[in-house]
Amino acid sequence: DGGITQSPKYLFRKEGQNVTLSCEQNLNHDAMYWYRQDPGQGLRLIYYSQIVNDFQKGDIAEGYSVSREKKESFPLTVTSAQKNPTAFYLCASSPPGLAGETQYFGPGTRLLVL
Amino acid sequence: AQSVTQPDIHITVSEGASLELRCNYSYGATPYLFWYVQSPGQGLQLLLKYFSGDTLVQGIKGFEAEFKRSQSSFNLRKPSVHWSDAAEYFCAVGMTGTALIFGKGTTLSVSS
Repeated sequence: DGGITQSPKYLFRKEGQNVTLSCEQNLNHDAMYWYRQDPGQGLRLIYYSQIVNDFQKGDIAEGYSVSREKKESFPLTVTSAQKNPTAFYLCASSPPGLAGETQYFGPGTRLLVL
Repeated sequence: AQSVTQPDIHITVSEGASLELRCNYSYGATPYLFWYVQSPGQGLQLLLKYFSGDTLVQGIKGFEAEFKRSQSSFNLRKPSVHWSDAAEYFCAVGMTGTALIFGKGTTLSVSS
């Protein structure tokens, strides 16, 4: 089945630790996105990538890093510089062409700080 | 600045009653418009979208939305709400080559 997978479902981070959230898609989509969701805040864009080996910062990129070495993968690293990482993280992807504005979402990863 | 406003943070509707969720946007041109639904702890599911043409669009699960250019609105409606519709609903806008801008969401509760 085609879709977007995110792992793990829950992730725990210790103080000063970097953690990486996985996002994989087998939809052959060109663009991929990372959002952070906090209660009452909606979705805020962290990073996005329109093609392989290229990505742009979103509204809240500080304390995060990404890579896009393969079309199907867009991992997000939450670094120790992100002082308030507890949130629900959503990955999305979109196809090329006119429908490229339609984003399809993974199931999310909840990050908690120990 | 580009923005999306969902004025209602929380709405409670009786089962079987009609529903309207409001969405207003501020954008330089007419954007593409979307409604997504999210169940607790889950990702977002696309309900419907408007790109052009007929301003009344039909979506999944019996939802529809109407684009009103003069009001910069894209309100979501359903004639008869079911208990399973309880969820959080997000309105979003975007253009070619840009990421979507999301509203802060409206939580729908359904009472019996």
